[in-house]
Formats: sequence, C-alpha cells, structure tokens
Amino acid sequence: QKEVEQNSGPLSVPEGAIASLNCTYSDRGSQSFFWYRQYSGKSPELIMFIYSNGDKEDGRFTAQLNKASQYVSLLIRDSQPSDSATYLCAAARNQFYFGTGTSLTVIP
Amino acid sequence: DGGITQSPKYLFRKEGQNVTLSCEQNLNHDAMYWYRQDPGQGLRLIYYSHIVNDFQKGDIAEGYSVSREKKESFPLTVTSAQKNPTAFYLCASSHFRGSSGNTIYFGEGSWLTVV
Repeated sequence: QKEVEQNSGPLSVPEGAIASLNCTYSDRGSQSFFWYRQYSGKSPELIMFIYSNGDKEDGRFTAQLNKASQYVSLLIRDSQPSDSATYLCAAARNQFYFGTGTSLTVIP
Repeated sequence: DGGITQSPKYLFRKEGQNVTLSCEQNLNHDAMYWYRQDPGQGLRLIYYSHIVNDFQKGDIAEGYSVSREKKESFPLTVTSAQKNPTAFYLCASSHFRGSSGNTIYFGEGSWLTVV
C-alpha cells in the first residue's frame, strides 16, 4: 500500500467551474499535509499546507483535511486555463511522502 | 533571494561516465533531499540528509552517491552503475524532518540525458 494515493486522472473541468482533487494517506501519525502544483517540465511549487482538521482557504484554493477518514482534498474555485497542471499531494511525519499526482486540464 | 539552486539545468552524459548535479540552498534548512522524476511519473526519493555529514538511502539509491559536507550543499553523483539515468532530478530542502510546521521546497530541477 502506498503512503499517499491520488487518482491520476486526467481530470477535465470547464473554465469557471470548481475542480476537486482528492488524496488519501495511510499513516495515521501524519501531521502535515501539502498540495503542490507542477507544470509540465517544471519543479513542484507549494500551493497550500494544512495541519488541522477542517478547511483552509487561500484565494481560489481551499484545502480540506479529515484525519478520521485519512483524507485530504483541494478545491479550486473559478478554475482558469492556467490552473492546468499536475497536482501533487504530500503527507509528512518524520518524512515526506508524495502521491503520484493528478493531472488537471481546464478547458476554455 | 532565498532559495534552492540546482545546476546545471541540462546535462548530457555519455555511457560509462559519472556526472555530478549541484544543489545549494540558502534557506538555513537542516534537511535536504534528491528526487528523481521520470516523464509522467511521480517523485521517487534517491537520498536524503537530515544533518551535515549524515545521509540515508531512499527508495532508489542504487547507482547514485551523495555527500553532505556543508549544511548548504548536497551534490548528487550519478554513477556509471545507474543504467537508466535519463530523468528529471529535483533537489529539495526543509527544516528538520517532516514534523508539523515544516514544508519542503524544491529547486528548479536538472534534466539529465544519456547520449
């Protein structure tokens, strides 16, 4: 079983819609959770991190954490073509564990 | 500006040749990491170091070597024993361990191609 699992997609949404990206993790002791965006041929860049159960909002992005269900999600509101990328989920305790990423395409 | 600098951005290696990828950070981070990413694939951990003069193998360490003589520097050598080294290599750093409050940041990456 992988430490962090994501649906590889591809996920396609129309411009202006909400994109929902999901991630599950296996280590109940994980303390920190991260979402990274990676454009093709570029390195991952941090979008958000979340440590506590509930929602955390930053502009068009909302991260949601449910430790009981071991589930992390990222919502992107008013999706733009520039949001088209691969989104990596990560969980951390003593080490960082990355999912394989979900490819998102926002269709103009 | 604070950040992680990788060089070179593009590197070509001949069969049987060792090459070294440089990684320098000025974020005062204790931990540094090397990942490999193949096209369309996720990140795979090669080596990591939580403290100077100490480093640990990751999931795919065979054919690679590292050193950590300075806190700021964590070079990766791709040896001739690595039979399929063509990939995108990412260096990263964080404060010590992945505990709450720490975040991992990435350099811009190095593309290695075998010719």
